[in-house]
Amino acid sequence: GESVGLHLPTLSVQEGDNSIINCAYSNSASDYFIWYKQESGKGPQFIIDIRSNMDKRQGQRVTVLLNKTVKHLSLQIAATQPGDSAVYFCAETSLAGGSEKLVFGKGTKLTVNP
Amino acid sequence: DAGITQSPRYKITETGRQVTLMCHQTWSHSYMFWYRQDLGHGLRLIYYSAAADITDKGEVPDGYVVSRSKTENFPLTLESATRSQTSVYFCASISNEKLFFGSGTQLSVL
Repeated sequence: GESVGLHLPTLSVQEGDNSIINCAYSNSASDYFIWYKQESGKGPQFIIDIRSNMDKRQGQRVTVLLNKTVKHLSLQIAATQPGDSAVYFCAETSLAGGSEKLVFGKGTKLTVNP
Repeated sequence: DAGITQSPRYKITETGRQVTLMCHQTWSHSYMFWYRQDLGHGLRLIYYSAAADITDKGEVPDGYVVSRSKTENFPLTLESATRSQTSVYFCASISNEKLFFGSGTQLSVL
């Protein structure tokens, strides 16, 4: 039977729509956050990052929003394309703590329907 | 621009055998990392290295050994493989707080 926690949250969108992927982080001391994209059979790839002194940061077609009050991070992808289909996960750390302290979320699987 | 190269891409082994996963980077980044990725757990740090001859344990180091005799290479050895070590293994290096990952090694322990 199905086991709790072994299936990734999924998000299915139509090509051209905007996508919003959410992430709740746990450590209030974290001050640096990163979003990664992982395509099937590949390693994770850096998308965008944000430091805790910012609420919003924009890249090319992607925007990351940080709400420190509720410890929530979101990744917005504009005009989603089939090539955006992947697993997306966030990571948090304290810059003072070192890179080895990076904690990864379990990910959300985004499927873009043509 | 090769970046990080992992080998082999796929490996099947038997319980009790020694297995070494290779990782090579062309950037001369100081820090390198080994992660394992399992469904339901996400990426978990096994070992990391701050420089040649400097290594330290991560979250799940038991059953693994690493070495770093040269900056560009960071091999991971499973001294006596167990079924629980079936996983996808990723090597990474870091620059400006950004991790750069290899393509991974899919390891199956039968």
